[in-house]
Amino acid sequence: DTGVSQNPRHKITKRGQNVTFRCDPISEHNRLYWYRQTLGQGPEFLTYFQNEAQLEKSRLLSDRFSAERPKGSFSTLEIQRTEQGDSAMYLCASSSRDGPNTEAFFGQGTRLTVV
Amino acid sequence: AQSVTQLDSQVPVFEEAPVELRCNYSSSVSVYLFWYVQYPNQGLQLLLKYLSGSTLVESINGFEAEFNKSQTSFHLRKPSVHISDTAEYFCAVSLLYGNEKLTFGTGTRLTIIP
Repeated sequence: DTGVSQNPRHKITKRGQNVTFRCDPISEHNRLYWYRQTLGQGPEFLTYFQNEAQLEKSRLLSDRFSAERPKGSFSTLEIQRTEQGDSAMYLCASSSRDGPNTEAFFGQGTRLTVV
Repeated sequence: AQSVTQLDSQVPVFEEAPVELRCNYSSSVSVYLFWYVQYPNQGLQLLLKYLSGSTLVESINGFEAEFNKSQTSFHLRKPSVHISDTAEYFCAVSLLYGNEKLTFGTGTRLTIIP
C-alpha cells in the first residue's frame, strides 16, 4: 500500500500526558499537511511542510503542539499536556507540486481521546 | 480569509432518487473548489475538483458539480443514488496561489434509504 499512513489509529490518554502521532506520506510527495477534525465539523488546517521546512502554522496550533518533518520524509505531531479539548481526529495529507493545485491524499487519521 | 458553507448537515434520500448537496463559498480572491468523500471508517478521498475551464466537472462514479461564480456555489449532484453512496461529503476550497491548504465546510451526511 503506497498511500498515506498514520499511526497509531487510535490513542486514549489521560489529561496532562504527552502524545505523539506519526504520518508517513506518499514517498515522492514533498508537501505534507496536518488537519484536525472534531465531531460534526470539517477538517481544520493545522500546519504545512514543504520538504523539511514548516512553512505555515494555524493559530489553532497552540504552543502545546509541535510538528516536525526531519529529512522531509515522515512527520510527527506532538501534543504536550493534553487537554480534553484536544480530543479529535488528526489527519495527515500529502501532495506533490506537479502542476496547478494537485490532489492531496489523506491518511485514515489518528483518533485521540483525552480522558 | 475564505470560508465554506454546507447548509445541510444530513440528507436522507431514497435509493435511485436524485440528490443535490449544496456548497457555497466566500473568498476575496479566486479559489479552486473540491468535493471530498469520507466513507465509514475510511479516510477522505477526492471526489472531484474544479481548477479552471468547463464549469461542470464529473467524477467516475456519476457525481457532478457545477461551479457558479456569480452565486459562489459548487453544488454536488447525482441523478440516481446507490446504497454505496452513503458517506459524508465535504466541500473545500484552496487559494489559486499558495500552499494548497484546504478550507473545508462542516460536511453533509448522505444517507441512502433502501
